[in-house]
Amino acid sequence: DAMVIQNPRYQVTQFGKPVTLSCSQTLNHNVMYWYQQKSSQAPKLLFHYYDKDFNNEADTPDNFQSRRPNTSFCFLDIRSPGLGDAAMYLCATSRRGRGRTYEQYFGPGTRLTVT
Amino acid sequence: DQQVKQNSPSLSVQEGRISILNCDYTNSMFDYFLWYKKYPAEGPTFLISISSIKDKNEDGRFTVFLNKSAKHLSLHIVPSQPGDSAVYFCAASEDAGGTSYGKLTFGQGTILTVHP
Repeated sequence: DAMVIQNPRYQVTQFGKPVTLSCSQTLNHNVMYWYQQKSSQAPKLLFHYYDKDFNNEADTPDNFQSRRPNTSFCFLDIRSPGLGDAAMYLCATSRRGRGRTYEQYFGPGTRLTVT
Repeated sequence: DQQVKQNSPSLSVQEGRISILNCDYTNSMFDYFLWYKKYPAEGPTFLISISSIKDKNEDGRFTVFLNKSAKHLSLHIVPSQPGDSAVYFCAASEDAGGTSYGKLTFGQGTILTVHP
């Protein structure tokens, strides 16, 4: 089945220790997104790639970086995690066509704990 | 400033009855709206969508209604089933001019519980 896969599902890191979350997709979608979701809040878009074109949201902290080495994979790097970065991180993909919005397909998420 | 709001954190419904989940938005540039369902330990799953040129879209037991003048949309589930128990998120997108990357703005979610 075509899908969006996130690894690991649970990640524990220490305060200030860099951490990388990964996302892969078999849908061959050209757009990939990273969302942060804290408890009982709406998922918040951090950034997205349209092919190799990187788009950062204005309020995404510099502490968060992303890489997309190819169509299938996308990584979220948190350079110096703080306690406030503990959250669920969701990866999503979609097609994109000019003039319309396509639905996004989400992975199961990675729950990040910062100790 | 929250542009998409789901004012009811939770909703409890009896099996077989109608579930109505509500969503309000403030950005008049939004022109495409979606509902997602999320089970624990899973990512959100697309459920149904509606374009701003329509006021209703139906898919089986699920119907979404859009009232643009009130900036309000609702999701109706009829009849409700215990398997529908999940968190429901509404989301909105502005795609004017085809320049959007399909960015979605989400509401906080409503927890639906359907009792047998």
